[in-house]
Amino acid sequence: DTAVSQTPKYLVTQMGNDKSIKCEQNLGHDTMYWYKQDSKKFLKIMFSYNNKELIINETVPNRFSPKSPDKAHLNLHINSLELGDSAVYFCASSQDYGQETQYFGPGTRLLVL
Amino acid sequence: RKEVEQDPGPFNVPEGATVAFNCTYSNSASQSFFWYRQDCRKEPKLLMSVYSSGNEDGRFTAQLNRASQYISLLIRDSKLSDSATYLCVVRVGGNYQLIWGAGTKLIIKP
Repeated sequence: DTAVSQTPKYLVTQMGNDKSIKCEQNLGHDTMYWYKQDSKKFLKIMFSYNNKELIINETVPNRFSPKSPDKAHLNLHINSLELGDSAVYFCASSQDYGQETQYFGPGTRLLVL
Repeated sequence: RKEVEQDPGPFNVPEGATVAFNCTYSNSASQSFFWYRQDCRKEPKLLMSVYSSGNEDGRFTAQLNRASQYISLLIRDSKLSDSATYLCVVRVGGNYQLIWGAGTKLIIKP
């Protein structure tokens, strides 16, 4: 079984649309994350979610909103998509906040046209 | 200056050779250090932690130099399967946030 799964794997959409990416982990971890990896391969943390506490990277536009229906899921909703949102989005989880061993999902490749 | 800097490479290395690359960090309050590996179009995976006393795992050796604020990764007897991008990760004390380098691309050639 896949430890951290994301859907969809690829997402191509028009500018201005609203889209969601889903993430699920079956590791029983308490903390989940969303990362953005741009074309220059920089991996930047967007959100950390631990026991209903959301920690937001202040550089993330408020068009991005994480939603966690339960501990095993952390979805990412994006409003009014822009060209610059094109990137690979990785979901990850760790046993607890601050744990260096993070388990990543396979990534969602988003292309905004 | 970036918080975590790595030479992007690529490092083109013949199979069997030894290769080493460094990563420098700017925040002297950095507490923990790690190497992750990312294969092409795949997700990052933890390779090894870097302890103050150094860390060795098979062909891989990681070292920390706090005075000069860099960590290193040495790969001996390189294999074709070592081809990947190696990401340096630093955790700054306090908020436990991980700061990621952009990675060093390694290509092992037969």
